[in-house]
Amino acid sequence: AQKITQTQPGMFVQEKEAVTLDCTYDTSDQSYGLFWYKQPSSGEMIFLIYQGSYDEQNATEGRYSLNFQKARKSANLVISASQLGDSAMYFCAMRYTGFQKLVFGTGTRLLVSP
Amino acid sequence: DGGITQSPKYLFRKEGQNVTLSCEQNLNHDAMYWYRQDPGQGLRLIYYSQIVNDFQKGDIAEGYSVSREKKESFPLTVTSAQKNPTAFYLCASSIEHQETQYFGPGTRLLVL
Repeated sequence: AQKITQTQPGMFVQEKEAVTLDCTYDTSDQSYGLFWYKQPSSGEMIFLIYQGSYDEQNATEGRYSLNFQKARKSANLVISASQLGDSAMYFCAMRYTGFQKLVFGTGTRLLVSP
Repeated sequence: DGGITQSPKYLFRKEGQNVTLSCEQNLNHDAMYWYRQDPGQGLRLIYYSQIVNDFQKGDIAEGYSVSREKKESFPLTVTSAQKNPTAFYLCASSIEHQETQYFGPGTRLLVL
């Protein structure tokens, strides 16, 4: 069964530093997509970044990058130059071809301190 | 501005009552989804719809019902058969079922 694992319940980082949020996944499919979403205290899920399983280069979106290691089945989110507004829950999710749902991890709470 | 709206923000349900959560999108997306989020957990899929007048059950559809009569609207009814409805409900949409899903602001349902 497809599964997403986020082993860090909480992470602390100082403003302007970089932080890596871990995500590993389990699937036997060859074609799948990996997503990261941010959920601030307001509750809305904000799409951050996407990586396709056949993409050879790591995805980047501004200060966000996805460290995709296919052989290790990991898709870690790297946030560079953290800002106070980055404090939120972060969810890793996977969509596998042919299925109409995202499978979510349990999330990592990131706290950015001044 | 294009986006997804959900209403109400908070909803209270009495025992034995059916309640309906609204989800509207003006993004011209074909696919729409309903997820449930419980404290300390990720999201779980309740129902999804790829096109008007068609919808499919997700992982936890029992006690819920949906309709998709218009492309922009996908209301979710929490029936009295749902014994533990207290949760945060998120609606999402995508251009088509394989594309990135974008979420609304959510509805928090509480049982009185």
